[in-house]
Parts: sequence; C-alpha cells; structure tokens
Amino acid sequence: SQTIHQWPATLVQPVGSPLSLECTVEGTSNPNLYWYRQAAGRGLQLLFYSVGIGQISSEVPQNLSASRPQDRQFILSSKKLLLSDSGFYLCAWRVDMNTEAFFGQGTRLTVV
Amino acid sequence: AQSVTQPDIHITVSEGASLELRCNYSYGATPYLFWYVQSPGQGLQLLLKYFSGDTLVQGIKGFEAEFKRSQSSFNLRKPSVHWSDAAEYFCAVDSNYQLIWGAGTKLIIKP
Repeated sequence: SQTIHQWPATLVQPVGSPLSLECTVEGTSNPNLYWYRQAAGRGLQLLFYSVGIGQISSEVPQNLSASRPQDRQFILSSKKLLLSDSGFYLCAWRVDMNTEAFFGQGTRLTVV
Repeated sequence: AQSVTQPDIHITVSEGASLELRCNYSYGATPYLFWYVQSPGQGLQLLLKYFSGDTLVQGIKGFEAEFKRSQSSFNLRKPSVHWSDAAEYFCAVDSNYQLIWGAGTKLIIKP
C-alpha cells in the first residue's frame, strides 16, 4: 500500500535561517506531489505542485522553493526564513488528476 | 474560475444530534468532489468522494454527502455525531492538477 512520510513534525527556526522540509511517497510511481501551507485557523494554500521529476509549478511567489530530485521525493526549501513563513506545512500526493489526495502528517514550522 | 465555499466557519452541535456541513462549488464541467477531515495538528483524511453515478455517497466514520447539481452543492451529513467528530472539515473540487479547497468548517461538539 502507499504511504507518505513527511518530516520533521515540528521545527523552530530563527529568522534568516535556511529551511528544508522533506516528503517521500512509497508504493506508487510518478505521483503528482503537492506542498500546502495552512496558517492558523485558515484553509489550505497551495504552494507548489509537481507532475514529474524536475517539474515544479509555483502557485504563490515568495521566498520558498521546491524541488523534486527523485520520482517520489519532494523538498520544500528556503534560503532565508521570514516570520511570515510560520505555519503548518502539508505534503500530499495524487495518482493523477481526478483522484483523491493523500496527505502527510504535516510539519509545524515556527520562525522566531 | 473554480471555487468552493463553505459558508459556516464554525458549527456547534450536541453529541448525538444530526449534522450537516454545507459546501457550494463553482465549476463549469462535471465536478469531482471531496470531503476531508483534519484533527488538530494532523494531516487531512479523506472522508468521501463523488466522481459520478449515485448522487448520495457514503464515506467513512458514518458520514455521507449528497451531490445536487441544481444547487451546486455537496453537503456533508451525519445522523448522530460523536465527541470524536470534533475536527475541521474541508470540501474540495478537482481542477485539473489541483484541488480547489474551501476555507473549512470547524465542528464543535457540546457534551
């Protein structure tokens, strides 16, 4: 069966420090991969999605970036974190469009 | 543009009472619709989905939803809520490679 791993679960980082969040999927090939952010008490904001290795679509221009170095690995990065980057980050995958998404357990990022 | 509206930010119901969470969508073609639940600090879990066929779909944890094309709605229902149903609920519609999400409804259960 398919599983999705996202880590770390929590992270506290100082302003201006770099960020790397990793997400991996097991049990499927060529998934569509997604990074979302959820601010406190708010809905899901799509940050990036990828339909294949090296293919990244950005939905919200900001100081975050994403990479997909392997088929089932999706990384969210920043060179310099801002206070406004605090939030709950969720990774998700789908087999294809018109299918449901499966979510990781999320990473709580606090920038101090 | 496609959109999803969940008009209720919070809903409070008594344990054992029935529940209906509203979802309205705007989509030009036949929609693929989803309901997800999120417990605090957790990822989202799929409750149910509608792709085609029977407009009343059954999901996990005793939830069901009814697709009404004439009203552009996909409301979530449960006949009797349990305290463990307290969570946030999200409706979504498929749009090519993305899912368009509602803002969520937080369900509060009164003992």
